[in-house]
Amino acid sequence: DGGITQSPKYLFRKEGQNVTLSCEQNLNHDAMYWYRQDPGQGLRLIYYSQIVNDFQKGDIAEGYSVSREKKESFPLTVTSAQKNPTAFYLCASSMPVVQPQHFGDGTRLSIL
Amino acid sequence: AQKITQTQPGMFVQEKEAVTLDCTYDTSDQSYGLFWYKQPSSGEMIFLIYQGSYDEQNATEGRYSLNFQKARKSANLVISASQLGDSAMYFCAMLRGSNYKLTFGKGTLLTVNP
Repeated sequence: DGGITQSPKYLFRKEGQNVTLSCEQNLNHDAMYWYRQDPGQGLRLIYYSQIVNDFQKGDIAEGYSVSREKKESFPLTVTSAQKNPTAFYLCASSMPVVQPQHFGDGTRLSIL
Repeated sequence: AQKITQTQPGMFVQEKEAVTLDCTYDTSDQSYGLFWYKQPSSGEMIFLIYQGSYDEQNATEGRYSLNFQKARKSANLVISASQLGDSAMYFCAMLRGSNYKLTFGKGTLLTVNP
């Protein structure tokens, strides 16, 4: 079945540590997105990529980095510069047209 | 700036009744799409319904319909015959045709009572 796989489901970060969240899709979508969701809030866009080897900052990119070396993969690194990383992270993909984005099941990140 | 407003933090409805969740939006784009997503307590985002800015008919998908009033910039979700499984957070979102960025509202928590 086609879909988006995010891993791990739960992740814990120590102070000063970088962690990487995985996002893989087999929907053959060109565009991929990372969102952050805080408790009781909507989703905010961190980074997005509309084509391989190209990506743009979203609304809250500080403290995060991404890469897009393959069409299927769009990993997100939460760096030590992100002082408040505890949140629910959702990855999505779509074609670059006005159509619904498909979401993974998310990764919950907490600080140890 | 593009903005989505959901004014109802929480809503209650009796099972089998209809409920309307409000959404207003603000954009200067002519081409855009409006979406509703459902987020159960498990966290996944489930796409429910889509309305394009140029669509003249209101979108419907099973028990879901979107009441689109372009002049008022509103895109309310109507759920008919509510079921207990409809209890969840509901997000309205807008996608701009100029850059395909999706902007979300803060959501409405719907509780369906038996």
